Amino acid sequence: QITLKESGPTLVKPAETLTLTCSFSGFSLDSGVGVGWIRQPPGQALEWLAVIYWDDDWRQSPSLMGRVTITKDITKNQVVLTLTNMDPADTATYYCARRRGSFDAWGQGTLVIVSS
Amino acid sequence: EIVLTQSPGTLYVSPGESATLSCRASQSVNNNLAWYQQKPGQAPRLLIYAATTRASGVPARFSGSASGPDFTLTITGLQSEDFAVYYCQHYHNWMASFGQGTKMQIK
Repeated sequence: QITLKESGPTLVKPAETLTLTCSFSGFSLDSGVGVGWIRQPPGQALEWLAVIYWDDDWRQSPSLMGRVTITKDITKNQVVLTLTNMDPADTATYYCARRRGSFDAWGQGTLVIVSS
Repeated sequence: EIVLTQSPGTLYVSPGESATLSCRASQSVNNNLAWYQQKPGQAPRLLIYAATTRASGVPARFSGSASGPDFTLTITGLQSEDFAVYYCQHYHNWMASFGQGTKMQIK
């Protein structure tokens, strides 16, 4: 059974750095597989943020202008997303998902609120 | 950056009828296009990948098609559980982006 679960703070202050962890099980980051992050502000559409692949290659959304870093720890089956300089506009539910081409398995999501 | 434009924004359909949802890509994605269904309070669920292939466990009433930059999700014989928001997503060249979604509501 494939599972992914996001963890991290619920509340962050403006200008702080957000660190989220995706813990996964039931699959390995083998050739062709990646883990990505997607967010969804309340009542709005999905927005792809970043993805890291089995070979440590990673991509980020151009809209984030270099605020994103994504790393993986295969010994722990975890992928970590950091997003710098948080703003109230970054308030959203953050999802991690397995990428085999499309995102075929998703975590339940974690709500992050940016407020002072 | 590839932009996906979905239409319509909201679709009103009666149960039992068919629905056609559209997604247009701003440049070629080589059929690296997926469709997701999202219900309130839930994570998205993969329905279609590679533009036309149903994901595991997805009912046959869901089908996808492609013609150049235009992609279509068709749902026939709508059931009550199908009323949700639908997103298209490309996964071309190791990147990704989502459309803005189509909300399907009961007429």
